Amino acid sequence: KNEVEQSPQNLTAQEGEFITINCSYSVGISALHWLQQHPGGGIVSLFMLSSGKKKHGRLIATINIQEKHSSLHITASHPRDSAVYICASRGGYGGSQGNLIFGKGTKLSVKP
Amino acid sequence: KAGVTQTPRYLIKTRGQQVTLSCSPISGHRSVSWYQQTPGQGLQFLFEYFSETQRNKGNFPGRFSGRQFSNSRSEMNVSTLELGDSALYLCASSWMPSGVPTPYNEQFFGPGTRLTVL
Repeated sequence: KNEVEQSPQNLTAQEGEFITINCSYSVGISALHWLQQHPGGGIVSLFMLSSGKKKHGRLIATINIQEKHSSLHITASHPRDSAVYICASRGGYGGSQGNLIFGKGTKLSVKP
Repeated sequence: KAGVTQTPRYLIKTRGQQVTLSCSPISGHRSVSWYQQTPGQGLQFLFEYFSETQRNKGNFPGRFSGRQFSNSRSEMNVSTLELGDSALYLCASSWMPSGVPTPYNEQFFGPGTRLTVL
């Protein structure tokens, strides 16, 4: 059974700080997703990774398949980055997307 | 392009009742997945539909069911509601350029339906 663990659970940062959120999973996966959820519930997909590293603006996501670990980095954090960040693994195969198995989320608060 | 829409946005029901939630995917998206989010369990996968067929199902009791129509719109139904069914129900749609579901497609989430069971 795949389990997804995130750390830290809560994170408070000052504006401008570099932030790292970690995600570990227990079995081999096809893809790993990073999601952002703002108060009110809306979820936005930030990244889908199957290997290596992706960058979008101030956000960087990396994955190490051998170590079963992924990180989400936010450079020059801003109060508008305050949200819950969720990682989710997907097993899947052709013909099905496979279940998304979610971590519990990291609640990030960036103070001005 | 309009995003994923879910109706209703808020719903209050009593124990024992049944409820139907609706999800309209982004135009052209043929895959719809449903998720339940509660404070205790977090996000959990309910179902995945593609071209009117259920491709995958999460670990939920038979009271939870769903379907997808030929226009890709999807509904989920919960019968005999329990207090523990109070949750945010989210649907997400994906575009399958190959025409076959794979794990590598980005999902676009709707705003959710917040269900309260009294």
